[in-house]
Amino acid sequence: SQQGEEDPQALSIQEGENATMNCSYKTSINNLQWYRQNSGRGLVHLILIRSNEREKHSGRLRVTLDTSKKSSSLLITASRAADTASYFCATDPSGNTGKLIFGQGTTLQVKP
Amino acid sequence: DTAVSQTPKYLVTQMGNDKSIKCEQNLGHDTMYWYKQDSKKFLKIMFSYNNKELIINETVPNRFSPKSPDKAHLNLHINSLELGDSAVYFCASSTRTVGAEKLFFGSGTQLSVL
Repeated sequence: SQQGEEDPQALSIQEGENATMNCSYKTSINNLQWYRQNSGRGLVHLILIRSNEREKHSGRLRVTLDTSKKSSSLLITASRAADTASYFCATDPSGNTGKLIFGQGTTLQVKP
Repeated sequence: DTAVSQTPKYLVTQMGNDKSIKCEQNLGHDTMYWYKQDSKKFLKIMFSYNNKELIINETVPNRFSPKSPDKAHLNLHINSLELGDSAVYFCASSTRTVGAEKLFFGSGTQLSVL
């Protein structure tokens, strides 16, 4: 069964606003990753957070992980039109197998 | 100097035909994957190879046969194509080193079976 589920499925905001996407998963994990997919392109890795970490930052990205609730959130601050893309969370329940279980993604539209 | 490249980008074919998708990575990774993304953007792993050895084989019809001639290449051959095979197929690679589990994806092959 699908491991990760993103919420919301679609999000539309104005440039400069913050965007928050949530991900829930079902089993214990080794790590949780976020990927971005621009239209017609492959996925690009954004950030990885391990099960023993609670928060991680990378530039304008902030990821949180709550293993007790089996959930994670991705915050993009000061969004730009170029952030328009689909964002996916992915987990590797087995730990370092590369068999990532992806959610169905959040489609983010940032209006200029 | 594309890291993970796959060809072709678009593939339009008739039901019943046999087709192949090729993938190459120049990152020196030892593990390569095929993922399938359906029309709802749901992405699911199909196969994984580590140093030319098949290590993950999800419930995929026998019509799909991956082949890895060396650790930098992973091809996907599909026999007797069906309408339901229409999807975007992504090749990806990674190392198996702990702490470097992220995947590098190719740009995808959009397969349309008519």
